[in-house]
Amino acid sequence: QVQLVESGGGLVHPGGSLRLTCEVSGFTFSHFYMSWIRQASGKGLEWIAYISSNDDAKYYSESVEGRFTISRDYGRNSLYLQMNNLGVEDTAVYYCARGVGLGHWGQGTLVTVSS
Amino acid sequence: IVMTQTPFSLSVTPGQPASISCKSGRSLLHSDGKTYLYWYLQRPGQSPHLLIYEGSSRFSGVPDRFSGSGSGTDFTLKISRVEAEDVGVYYCMQALDVYSFGQGTRLEMK
Repeated sequence: QVQLVESGGGLVHPGGSLRLTCEVSGFTFSHFYMSWIRQASGKGLEWIAYISSNDDAKYYSESVEGRFTISRDYGRNSLYLQMNNLGVEDTAVYYCARGVGLGHWGQGTLVTVSS
Repeated sequence: IVMTQTPFSLSVTPGQPASISCKSGRSLLHSDGKTYLYWYLQRPGQSPHLLIYEGSSRFSGVPDRFSGSGSGTDFTLKISRVEAEDVGVYYCMQALDVYSFGQGTRLEMK
């Protein structure tokens, strides 16, 4: 069955960096767009980045453009989100999701930015 | 594209219908003929999951009491008979121009 498992979250100081991983299984990774979406505690969903199936297109929300980088490794069936210069406003649960329609989601990983 | 959902919350008696509206800042009809509007449910403590894609198609495993309708900029999610497992927050999302979500509609049981 389709599975997406996020990891790499944790506590980081403002200005710090973190790399999230989304390991997938149960489908052909190279066939699907992949996205990262985040959700601050008690708030709504915010899309932040996606990458095309063949890695030729990447898009970011204005809130993370220039600080976050999305990438993928076909050999490892993994999606990544490199997050630099983190601020307290980046504190959230981060989800990866599959496909244009975000048909499958992982369970999320919590990123806390605090001094 | 700004997505606006109404109501902010609703309280429904089990077995009764429910309806959520979603309006987009511009038409979500693509030149490929598809309408890039999606509906999700996030149950308490869980990840969101897809209910409806391309405006009106039910995703795999979604009960037929859920239906999506609308076109252009105005869309509706309807639940014909609300059940206890339908409690949570409902989001609409557009995928025509990158992605953006509505602010969510919280459904609770009376």
